[in-house]
Amino acid sequence: GAGVSQSPSNKVTEKGKDVELRCDPISGHTALYWYRQSLGQGLEFLIYFQGNSAPDKSGLPSDRFSAERTGGSVSTLTIQRTQQEDSAVYLCASSLSGSGGYGYTFGSGTRLTVV
Amino acid sequence: DQQVKQNSPSLSVQEGRISILNCDYTNSMFDYFLWYKKYPAEGPTFLISISSIKDKNEDGRFTVFLNKSAKHLSLHIVPSQPGDSAVYFCAALDTGRRALTFGSGTRLQVQP
Repeated sequence: GAGVSQSPSNKVTEKGKDVELRCDPISGHTALYWYRQSLGQGLEFLIYFQGNSAPDKSGLPSDRFSAERTGGSVSTLTIQRTQQEDSAVYLCASSLSGSGGYGYTFGSGTRLTVV
Repeated sequence: DQQVKQNSPSLSVQEGRISILNCDYTNSMFDYFLWYKKYPAEGPTFLISISSIKDKNEDGRFTVFLNKSAKHLSLHIVPSQPGDSAVYFCAALDTGRRALTFGSGTRLQVQP
């Protein structure tokens, strides 16, 4: 597609429920990233996929968080047993390569609210 | 431990004047630095970048300066325009981990 697409744009869920957030990167982009921005905070790195390499999961805050990328394209971020502190905007980005020499293209994000 | 710090959460300038946004970092392994701009309800968009082998990069009204010895970079916008009002994020990339580390952002407001 023309840009990075994220769905849903907004999600309200009850504490303890599982949620899935979807990211559709730009076609041909081999690198995909998930970040989150909590209220008043900066962008916190969560996970990074590069081609067929093992993902860098070093930013995932707990084992309730997981992500996968199927076929080197679409990615799903899953949060199990959601907690109120998981409320944030979850941003996905993709880039042509993982070399970091070029800027990312971000999606508009999914605003997650846990009540 | 915040490796990229933007100590000013907000900045207000008059239209036509210079805006200077600052960023400090602690990780000496960072070798590439970027600035992103974010409007409400949108994802951040890439603005300008600089490699650690340079000390200045200019693109139109935007110039980024890098002082490696001080581990400091700054973004200059001149002249500032009301449309520049947004949150600006500083980001850095290290040689080992190919994911950007972001600062907490500075909200710039340009007054007409």
